[in-house]
Amino acid sequence: GQSLEQPSEVTAVEGAIVQINCTYQTSGFYGLSWYQQHDGGAPTFLSYNGLDGLEETGRFSSFLSRSDSYGYLLLQELQMKDSASYFCAVIGNTPLVFGKGTRLSVIA
Amino acid sequence: DAGITQSPRHKVTETGTPVTLRCHQTENHRYMYWYRQDPGHGLRLIHYSYGVKDTDKGEVSDGYSVSRSKTEDFLLTLESATSSQTSVYFCAITGSYNEQFFGPGTRLTVL
Repeated sequence: GQSLEQPSEVTAVEGAIVQINCTYQTSGFYGLSWYQQHDGGAPTFLSYNGLDGLEETGRFSSFLSRSDSYGYLLLQELQMKDSASYFCAVIGNTPLVFGKGTRLSVIA
Repeated sequence: DAGITQSPRHKVTETGTPVTLRCHQTENHRYMYWYRQDPGHGLRLIHYSYGVKDTDKGEVSDGYSVSRSKTEDFLLTLESATSSQTSVYFCAITGSYNEQFFGPGTRLTVL
């Protein structure tokens, strides 16, 4: 089967940097994705890592280490609007499997 | 915007009644998915489709059935709704780079 572990909650200060970790176990692995979801909204795609290393998209970066079955999402220059839930998701031999999500609270 | 709509957006029903949720997409995507989202559980896959009349079960398929008679429509049916099926239901499609695009969701309450 497949399972993902990520912290349930993280709090960070506006303007700071926060890292949300994700470890996974999967049968077959193609890549790790990250999604953002604001309260009352639908999940939206943030990033995808199919290979080891760092992918950068503006203030957000995502990292993958396939040998460690580990990835993280890095959010820089945090803004209040970044307060949301963040989900990692694994693409393997079965359809996408999501972690339970990390609720990020950005405080002033 | 991947052109995904869901209907209805909100529904309140009673235990034992049948309920059908509709997902409609306008961009001819092959793969479509139904998820439910509950506090503490994240997004869990109910059923998915990889083409017209081609469907398969996900992690939490018990009590649900699906149908896909046209590329653009994917229907989720609760044959006899139970209170445990109170949830937010999301439809999704897979884009060109393995990313998923989600519909706006349907909030279902079973009394």
